[in-house]
Amino acid sequence: GAGVSQSPSNKVTEKGKDVELRCDPISGHTALYWYRQSLGQGLEFLIYFQGNSAPDKSGLPSDRFSAERTGGSVSTLTIQRTQQEDSAVYLCASSLGDRWAGKETQYFGPGTRLLVL
Amino acid sequence: DQQVKQNSPSLSVQEGRISILNCDYTNSMFDYFLWYKKYPAEGPTFLISISSIKDKNEDGRFTVFLNKSAKHLSLHIVPSQPGDSAVYFCAASGFYTGTASKLTFGTGTRLQVTL
Repeated sequence: GAGVSQSPSNKVTEKGKDVELRCDPISGHTALYWYRQSLGQGLEFLIYFQGNSAPDKSGLPSDRFSAERTGGSVSTLTIQRTQQEDSAVYLCASSLGDRWAGKETQYFGPGTRLLVL
Repeated sequence: DQQVKQNSPSLSVQEGRISILNCDYTNSMFDYFLWYKKYPAEGPTFLISISSIKDKNEDGRFTVFLNKSAKHLSLHIVPSQPGDSAVYFCAASGFYTGTASKLTFGTGTRLQVTL
């Protein structure tokens, strides 16, 4: 079946512009995660959605970052007034959501490579 | 503060030999550990995991060892194959860490298996 898909695969933007990154999780997965990987760094947790519960936003680095998940499926990560330090690969993952998230196998998309000039 | 550390950024091993990838953690509240594998231009894929109630978990050529007293885990790949060449990420989670949904990842180790 189809895996997690993300679009665009690459995005180049100018400093100060807003960007939207999209994630289509695996059908039937109720849990969805966003991470980012900056150069030479590990994957940094950003936000977690589980069903209709309030999202865990504890990883968002600033109020310029926001995410929503519509209809329990597709998610959009928005970065406002982008800065050069926002350049990274943004990864989305989904999981079944039927057990504690820390033990669930997360299925990752290929990521969106964002470059802020 | 890097709570999960992979101190070796790269490792080269001959085909057929054992690959040993190491990971250290500092948060004693972590109780579940995972390894993910990542090929270029792809997202990470789950490889193997271990709960803190165990000290070893084996799946085919892959074995993960956990030493809780040393806060150290390792991934053994035997025998190593060229297709194992990838970046390996260690990750940890803990139900009582305050953010139960969060996986904390290390910075990764790039494994190259040579012929």
